[in-house]
Amino acid sequence: NAGVTQTPKFQVLKTGQSMTLQCAQDMNHNSMYWYRQDPGMGLRLIYYSASEGTTDKGEVPDGYNVSRLKKQNFLLGLESAAPSQTSVYFCASSYLTGGNQPQHFGDGTRLSIL
Amino acid sequence: AQTVTQSQPEMSVQEAETVTLSCTYDTSENNYYLFWYKQPPSRQMILVIRQEAYKQQNATENRFSVNFQKAAKSFSLKISDSQLGDTAMYFCAFMKTYSGGGADGLTFGKGTHLIIQP
Repeated sequence: NAGVTQTPKFQVLKTGQSMTLQCAQDMNHNSMYWYRQDPGMGLRLIYYSASEGTTDKGEVPDGYNVSRLKKQNFLLGLESAAPSQTSVYFCASSYLTGGNQPQHFGDGTRLSIL
Repeated sequence: AQTVTQSQPEMSVQEAETVTLSCTYDTSENNYYLFWYKQPPSRQMILVIRQEAYKQQNATENRFSVNFQKAAKSFSLKISDSQLGDTAMYFCAFMKTYSGGGADGLTFGKGTHLIIQP
């Protein structure tokens, strides 16, 4: 089982460039999440999607947009990358939202903005 | 908003010893879950254990157990018979849940780097 797959694993961008981080899950999960992890910090929620076609802001949504057009995919977009967005990005999924539904994490995407 | 505090940036113990990692949280909510996640150098996020707030009994998973003190808003993780493979970052996390189903995402602490010495 692939579980949660994030692409790319590494990316370097210049300030002002745009890009989309991709997340795919093959577990038929309804809910998906995007987090960022900065040095010395835990993960912080950027956006989440409780179900296909719905999205909600998390703790740090500024500068990002998301898309959940298909149940198995959750895309995170950076319209105009800034150095402050240099981070490791994690995607996660769960069958439903709720504490009794454990979140399964991808391996992360390391993004550097120069 | 909820906050999660882990006051021990780093801990080091000898293999086979027992170690306790501390976590406190601040919330006005009544319905929530608490979690401990492990992040080894591979960067994977691995669920270690979880606790539902309304359950008084402390959760256990093999060598891992928690001490959940709801009134004190404390949620510590005890690792018994520690092994070299337990070396990792450990994150405490909070999730608010809703009575009608559903939940917010996870709120994480800053983590504790646990080193198991041979």
